[in-house]
Amino acid sequence: AQSVAQPEDQVNVAEGNPLTVKCTYSVSGNPYLFWYVQYPNRGLQFLLKYITGDNLVKGSYGFEAEFNKSQTSFHLKKPSALVSDSALYFCAVRDPWAGNNRKLIWGLGTSLAVNP
Amino acid sequence: GAGVSQSPSNKVTEKGKDVELRCDPISGHTALYWYRQSLGQGLEFLIYFQGNSAPDKSGLPSDRFSAERTGGSVSTLTIQRTQQEDSAVYLCASSLSGEETQYFGPGTRLLVL
Repeated sequence: AQSVAQPEDQVNVAEGNPLTVKCTYSVSGNPYLFWYVQYPNRGLQFLLKYITGDNLVKGSYGFEAEFNKSQTSFHLKKPSALVSDSALYFCAVRDPWAGNNRKLIWGLGTSLAVNP
Repeated sequence: GAGVSQSPSNKVTEKGKDVELRCDPISGHTALYWYRQSLGQGLEFLIYFQGNSAPDKSGLPSDRFSAERTGGSVSTLTIQRTQQEDSAVYLCASSLSGEETQYFGPGTRLLVL
Protein backbone atom coordinates (compact mmCIF):
# COMPACT_ATOMS: atom_id res chain seq x y z
CA ALA A 1 0.00 0.00 0.00
CA GLN A 2 1.12 3.51 -0.70
CA SER A 3 2.03 5.48 2.40
CA VAL A 4 3.83 8.53 3.69
CA ALA A 5 5.55 8.86 7.05
CA GLN A 6 6.53 11.98 8.90
CA PRO A 7 8.51 10.58 11.80
CA GLU A 8 8.48 13.75 13.92
CA ASP A 9 5.28 15.12 15.38
CA GLN A 10 7.06 18.34 16.31
CA VAL A 11 10.24 20.11 15.33
CA ASN A 12 11.66 23.01 17.29
CA VAL A 13 14.30 25.31 15.86
CA ALA A 14 15.73 28.70 16.76
CA GLU A 15 15.15 31.59 14.42
CA GLY A 16 18.01 31.93 11.95
CA ASN A 17 19.02 28.28 12.21
CA PRO A 18 18.50 25.79 9.39
CA LEU A 19 15.43 23.60 9.60
CA THR A 20 14.61 20.13 8.32
CA VAL A 21 11.22 18.44 8.34
CA LYS A 22 11.48 14.76 7.46
CA CYS A 23 9.34 12.70 5.12
CA THR A 24 9.69 9.15 3.87
CA TYR A 25 7.41 7.39 1.45
CA SER A 26 6.47 3.95 0.29
CA VAL A 27 5.00 3.73 -3.20
CA SER A 28 5.31 1.37 -6.09
CA GLY A 29 6.36 3.14 -9.25
CA ASN A 30 7.76 6.62 -9.60
CA PRO A 31 6.61 8.90 -6.80
CA TYR A 32 5.12 12.33 -7.25
CA LEU A 33 5.86 14.11 -3.97
CA PHE A 34 4.47 17.29 -2.44
CA TRP A 35 4.85 19.55 0.58
CA TYR A 36 2.02 21.71 1.87
CA VAL A 37 1.89 24.07 4.84
CA GLN A 38 -1.11 24.82 7.03
CA TYR A 39 -1.31 27.93 9.14
CA PRO A 40 -3.82 28.07 12.04
CA ASN A 41 -7.44 28.19 10.86
CA ARG A 42 -6.37 28.32 7.25
CA GLY A 43 -6.32 25.90 4.39
CA LEU A 44 -3.36 24.06 2.98
CA GLN A 45 -0.90 26.07 0.94
CA PHE A 46 1.27 24.42 -1.71
CA LEU A 47 5.01 24.77 -1.11
CA LEU A 48 6.73 22.58 -3.70
CA LYS A 49 6.60 19.32 -5.60
CA TYR A 50 8.86 16.73 -7.17
CA ILE A 51 7.67 15.09 -10.36
CA THR A 52 10.84 14.36 -12.28
CA GLY A 53 14.22 15.90 -13.06
CA ASP A 54 16.57 17.58 -10.59
CA ASN A 55 16.44 15.95 -7.17
CA LEU A 56 16.64 19.33 -5.43
CA VAL A 57 13.38 21.20 -5.73
CA LYS A 58 12.97 24.83 -4.76
CA GLY A 59 9.62 26.18 -3.66
CA SER A 60 7.80 29.04 -2.01
CA TYR A 61 9.05 31.12 0.94
CA GLY A 62 12.66 29.93 0.56
CA PHE A 63 11.87 26.25 1.16
CA GLU A 64 13.48 23.43 -0.75
CA ALA A 65 13.31 19.65 -0.66
CA GLU A 66 15.59 16.89 -1.81
CA PHE A 67 14.27 13.73 -3.41
CA ASN A 68 16.40 10.75 -2.43
CA LYS A 69 15.29 7.61 -4.23
CA SER A 70 17.63 5.21 -2.43
CA GLN A 71 16.43 6.39 0.97
CA THR A 72 12.84 6.92 -0.22
CA SER A 73 12.89 10.34 1.39
CA PHE A 74 11.76 13.84 0.53
CA HIS A 75 12.89 16.05 3.41
CA LEU A 76 11.88 19.70 3.52
CA LYS A 77 14.61 22.21 4.29
CA LYS A 78 15.21 25.90 4.75
CA PRO A 79 18.63 27.46 5.37
CA SER A 80 17.44 30.08 7.86
CA ALA A 81 14.18 29.69 9.77
CA LEU A 82 11.79 32.55 10.50
CA VAL A 83 9.29 32.79 13.36
CA SER A 84 6.62 33.16 10.69
CA ASP A 85 7.49 29.66 9.40
CA SER A 86 5.83 28.19 12.49
CA ALA A 87 2.99 26.06 11.15
CA LEU A 88 1.90 22.51 10.39
CA TYR A 89 3.70 20.88 7.47
CA PHE A 90 2.33 17.99 5.44
CA CYS A 91 4.13 15.69 3.06
CA ALA A 92 2.02 13.92 0.44
CA VAL A 93 2.44 11.52 -2.44
CA ARG A 94 0.20 11.08 -5.41
CA ASP A 95 -1.36 7.64 -5.63
CA PRO A 96 0.23 6.33 -8.84
CA TRP A 97 -2.48 3.70 -9.32
CA ALA A 98 -5.48 6.00 -9.28
CA GLY A 99 -5.40 6.78 -13.00
CA ASN A 100 -6.60 10.28 -13.83
CA ASN A 101 -7.55 10.80 -10.18
CA ARG A 102 -4.56 12.66 -8.81
CA LYS A 103 -5.61 12.05 -5.21
CA LEU A 104 -2.96 12.56 -2.60
CA ILE A 105 -1.93 10.26 0.24
CA TRP A 106 -0.86 12.28 3.23
CA GLY A 107 1.51 12.08 6.15
CA LEU A 108 0.13 12.98 9.57
CA GLY A 109 1.90 16.31 9.63
CA THR A 110 4.78 17.87 11.54
CA SER A 111 4.31 20.90 13.73
CA LEU A 112 7.19 23.31 13.28
CA ALA A 113 7.90 25.83 16.02
CA VAL A 114 10.50 28.49 15.35
CA ASN A 115 11.59 30.22 18.52
CA PRO A 116 12.74 33.85 18.48
CA GLY B 1 -7.18 35.98 -8.52
CA ALA B 2 -9.80 34.35 -6.32
CA GLY B 3 -8.86 31.09 -4.69
CA VAL B 4 -10.99 28.14 -3.67
CA SER B 5 -13.80 29.20 -1.38
CA GLN B 6 -15.82 27.06 1.00
CA SER B 7 -18.90 27.68 3.06
CA PRO B 8 -19.81 27.67 5.80
CA SER B 9 -16.50 28.10 7.56
CA ASN B 10 -17.94 26.48 10.68
CA LYS B 11 -20.96 24.27 11.19
CA VAL B 12 -22.33 22.89 14.42
CA THR B 13 -25.12 20.36 14.11
CA GLU B 14 -26.90 17.78 16.16
CA LYS B 15 -26.41 14.07 15.68
CA GLY B 16 -28.85 12.74 13.11
CA LYS B 17 -29.23 15.98 11.16
CA ASP B 18 -28.18 16.41 7.52
CA VAL B 19 -25.55 18.95 6.51
CA GLU B 20 -24.44 20.45 3.20
CA LEU B 21 -20.97 21.82 2.63
CA ARG B 22 -20.20 23.95 -0.38
CA CYS B 23 -17.05 24.38 -2.45
CA ASP B 24 -16.45 26.96 -5.16
CA PRO B 25 -13.28 26.05 -7.09
CA ILE B 26 -10.89 28.35 -8.88
CA SER B 27 -12.38 29.49 -12.16
CA GLY B 28 -11.28 27.24 -15.01
CA HIS B 29 -10.23 24.36 -12.79
CA THR B 30 -11.91 21.22 -14.02
CA ALA B 31 -10.65 18.87 -11.31
CA LEU B 32 -12.16 19.07 -7.83
CA TYR B 33 -11.34 17.02 -4.74
CA TRP B 34 -12.85 16.67 -1.29
CA TYR B 35 -10.68 15.58 1.64
CA ARG B 36 -11.42 15.15 5.33
CA GLN B 37 -8.97 16.17 8.03
CA SER B 38 -9.57 14.48 11.37
CA LEU B 39 -7.60 14.64 14.58
CA GLY B 40 -5.25 11.69 14.71
CA GLN B 41 -6.25 10.47 11.25
CA GLY B 42 -4.66 13.09 9.08
CA LEU B 43 -6.07 13.89 5.68
CA GLU B 44 -8.05 11.35 3.74
CA PHE B 45 -9.40 11.51 0.22
CA LEU B 46 -13.18 11.44 -0.16
CA ILE B 47 -14.22 12.08 -3.75
CA TYR B 48 -12.86 13.39 -7.08
CA PHE B 49 -14.61 15.14 -9.95
CA GLN B 50 -13.09 15.76 -13.38
CA GLY B 51 -15.15 17.71 -15.86
CA ASN B 52 -18.24 15.79 -16.93
CA SER B 53 -16.76 12.38 -16.14
CA ALA B 54 -18.27 10.10 -13.52
CA PRO B 55 -16.81 11.01 -10.11
CA ASP B 56 -14.43 8.72 -8.24
CA LYS B 57 -16.30 8.07 -5.00
CA SER B 58 -13.88 5.46 -3.69
CA GLY B 59 -12.97 7.47 -0.59
CA LEU B 60 -16.46 8.10 0.76
CA PRO B 61 -16.63 6.38 4.17
CA SER B 62 -20.28 5.39 4.07
CA ASP B 63 -23.45 5.77 2.05
CA ARG B 64 -24.43 8.69 4.28
CA PHE B 65 -21.90 10.74 2.31
CA SER B 66 -22.62 12.02 -1.16
CA ALA B 67 -21.42 14.84 -3.38
CA GLU B 68 -22.42 16.49 -6.57
CA ARG B 69 -20.93 19.05 -8.86
CA THR B 70 -23.30 21.19 -10.86
CA GLY B 71 -22.28 22.69 -14.17
CA GLY B 72 -18.71 21.57 -13.70
CA SER B 73 -18.10 24.25 -11.09
CA VAL B 74 -19.60 24.43 -7.59
CA SER B 75 -19.65 21.24 -5.56
CA THR B 76 -21.76 20.27 -2.58
CA LEU B 77 -20.83 17.55 -0.11
CA THR B 78 -23.82 16.21 1.79
CA ILE B 79 -23.66 14.17 4.96
CA GLN B 80 -26.95 12.58 5.98
CA ARG B 81 -27.83 11.53 9.52
CA THR B 82 -24.60 12.95 10.90
CA GLN B 83 -22.70 11.06 13.56
CA GLN B 84 -20.18 12.37 16.07
CA GLU B 85 -17.35 10.66 14.22
CA ASP B 86 -18.14 12.87 11.23
CA SER B 87 -16.71 15.82 13.15
CA ALA B 88 -13.70 17.01 11.16
CA VAL B 89 -12.48 19.71 8.84
CA TYR B 90 -13.67 19.15 5.29
CA LEU B 91 -11.29 20.50 2.69
CA CYS B 92 -11.92 21.12 -0.97
CA ALA B 93 -9.19 21.45 -3.59
CA SER B 94 -9.16 22.16 -7.29
CA SER B 95 -6.66 21.93 -10.11
CA LEU B 96 -6.35 22.46 -13.81
CA SER B 97 -6.92 19.42 -15.98
CA GLY B 98 -3.69 17.41 -16.14
CA GLU B 99 -2.01 19.60 -13.53
CA GLU B 100 -0.50 17.96 -10.47
CA THR B 101 -0.78 20.84 -8.02
CA GLN B 102 -3.99 21.06 -6.02
CA TYR B 103 -5.12 24.34 -4.51
CA PHE B 104 -7.05 24.15 -1.27
CA GLY B 105 -9.86 26.15 0.23
CA PRO B 106 -9.90 27.20 3.90
CA GLY B 107 -12.09 24.27 4.88
CA THR B 108 -15.36 23.79 6.73
CA ARG B 109 -15.03 22.80 10.37
CA LEU B 110 -17.91 20.47 11.21
CA LEU B 111 -18.83 19.66 14.79
CA VAL B 112 -21.54 17.07 15.44
CA LEU B 113 -22.92 17.20 18.96
